Amino acid sequence: AQSVTQLDSHVSVSEGTPVLLRCNYSSSYSPSLFWYVQHPNKGLQLLLKYTSAATLVKGINGFEAEFKKSETSFHLTKPSAHMSDAAEYFCVVSEDTSGTYKYIFGTGTRLKVLA
Amino acid sequence: DAGVIQSPRHEVTEMGQEVTLRCKPISGHNSLFWYRQTMMRGLELLIYFNNNVPIDDSGMPEDRFSAKMPNASFSTLKIQPSEPRDSAVYFCASTSRGLNQPQHFGDGTRLSIL
Repeated sequence: AQSVTQLDSHVSVSEGTPVLLRCNYSSSYSPSLFWYVQHPNKGLQLLLKYTSAATLVKGINGFEAEFKKSETSFHLTKPSAHMSDAAEYFCVVSEDTSGTYKYIFGTGTRLKVLA
Repeated sequence: DAGVIQSPRHEVTEMGQEVTLRCKPISGHNSLFWYRQTMMRGLELLIYFNNNVPIDDSGMPEDRFSAKMPNASFSTLKIQPSEPRDSAVYFCASTSRGLNQPQHFGDGTRLSIL
């Protein structure tokens, strides 16, 4: 069965320092993986997606994520945090089960950026 | 390029009233999802449609909730009668069919039941 675990519910970083948001998944098949960002009072916006083409995926706003099959991880990183990065981040796995696509969401990580 | 459009953005009503939330998916997308988000329970999938047909409604809380998709460009989520515990942000998302296709979300409807 699929599952997604976001290891930290809250992360605080100082502006200009690196960001690491951790995500581990379990999947019976070859999954597709996504990271979304949600700013206050907004919907979820796609940051990046992994679909087996390349293990290092670059997304919008300077974010990237690396798919590591051996570790079943898909951690999100950014070299230098900006105040505007403060938001909630969701890791998502999708899987095809008998022709039906399921999207499983992690519980989210709230990123706080300190001035 | 229009994204997923939800209306209304905010709804405040008294318990017992009927509430209808609306969603227009991205043109060409053939899967549509309704989610509910609260602080206590996070993001919950309520129901999703493929080609206008409900595929999985196991997340619909109870019979007071119903969803329809009469055509490829419109869906509604109805609550009748509404209760204070239904207060939440309701999101609609759409996607093209395919394993590697991401969902595209609307900005949500913030529902408050007094």
